[in-house]
Amino acid sequence: EDQVTQSPEALRLQEGESSSLNCSYTVSGLRGLFWYRQDPGKGPEFLFTLYSAGEEKEKERLKATLTKKESFLHITAPKPEDSATYLCAVDLRGKLQFGAGTQVVVTP
Amino acid sequence: EAGVTQFPSHSVIEKGQTVTLRCDPISGHDNLYWYRRVMGKEIKFLLHFVKESKQDESGMPNNRFLAERTGGTYSTLKVQPAELEDSGVYFCASSQLPRDRSYGYTFGSGTRLTVV
Repeated sequence: EDQVTQSPEALRLQEGESSSLNCSYTVSGLRGLFWYRQDPGKGPEFLFTLYSAGEEKEKERLKATLTKKESFLHITAPKPEDSATYLCAVDLRGKLQFGAGTQVVVTP
Repeated sequence: EAGVTQFPSHSVIEKGQTVTLRCDPISGHDNLYWYRRVMGKEIKFLLHFVKESKQDESGMPNNRFLAERTGGTYSTLKVQPAELEDSGVYFCASSQLPRDRSYGYTFGSGTRLTVV
């Protein structure tokens, strides 16, 4: 059975305190792994797509990496505006299967 | 470029009533998806349109849910009759390709449905 598991469920960081979020997956034939950011009352906002083990992508303070079993979203020197829920999803033949998300709070 | 638009943003209805949600995808996007998040759970796939045709409706929970996409433009999702467990946030997403490799899927802000 295809599964996507994110950890931790919640993360509280001080401004500038770097950390990593984990997304582990069990799928038959990964076609793509997506990271989204979601703010309260809004829909998921696309961040990255990763397709093969070893691939890395960066955007501002965020960096996503992918192995054969998991993906990490590294947040370097976070700022309060990085507070959000970060969602991981895998592409299953054209539809996304989401993890439950990691709620990140960055305090000044 | 306008994003994916959903309305209403909120809807509160009584059990047994009918509600229709609407989604306007990004212009030119042939692929349109419906997802929903119920309380405490992850976002789950409902169905996928390619133009006006249903490509995959494996996530539709039961026959109280009816999705249409007339003319391959906007889509509606009707729940009739609504039950308490239908409460949640319904998201619509669109993409230009079955898997838009460059930009992922673009999501709307969602419709929060509360059935009382």
